[in-house]
Amino acid sequence: QLQLQESGPGLVKTSETLSLTCTVSSGSITSRTFYWGWIRQPPGKGLEWIAIIYSNGGTYYSPSLRSRFTISVDTSKNQFSLKVTSVTAADTAAYYCARGEHGVDAFDIWGQGTKVTVSS
Amino acid sequence: QSVLTQPPSVSAAPGQKVTISCSGSSSNIGNKYVSWYQQFPGTAPKLLIYENDRRPSGIPDRFSGSKSGTSATLDITGLQTGDEADYYCGTWDSSLSIGVFGGGTKLTVL
Repeated sequence: QLQLQESGPGLVKTSETLSLTCTVSSGSITSRTFYWGWIRQPPGKGLEWIAIIYSNGGTYYSPSLRSRFTISVDTSKNQFSLKVTSVTAADTAAYYCARGEHGVDAFDIWGQGTKVTVSS
Repeated sequence: QSVLTQPPSVSAAPGQKVTISCSGSSSNIGNKYVSWYQQFPGTAPKLLIYENDRRPSGIPDRFSGSKSGTSATLDITGLQTGDEADYYCGTWDSSLSIGVFGGGTKLTVL
């Protein structure tokens, strides 16, 4: 069974850059059937769709986040990543990576999530 | 403000049925598949329903989904206290070219 595992710093200072990585195990990230995404959830709030990426590098971003967020894929490591520049307290959230299926538009496998706190 | 609208909370007694609604528009629910997710506090969301009404392996048939026009519903029958969780609908918005979620509905089993 394919599994996803997020990794990240936990605590980031205001205005710095946050880097998160999602490692895909027991399966390949190169399948054309699937895409890979990041979703976040601020404390006590709902889910926010951030971005997705296909193994060929094709990407889609939430318009409200696009300017500071970059999603990328490293097929050699079976990983995909999210970089967030100029973080503020509003970026404090649990960040989840997930797998989606093209045409189905559902995330069927999720990582356990990683909590990120932005503090000065 | 979420693109998809869900009631903030619903409640029902054990054994009863509850319906959670998800309202959207022609650019999302109207012509795309809807999915539903269950999330317990402190844990990752779990896919309950995909392609409007299909259940992944292992999801009990007490959970069912449907779609009509620009709205979708999640029905849970035979409510159990263990069903208390937050439920989210999701889909793709073809105008925004992004995925979207509803604001979430907190289910309380009284």
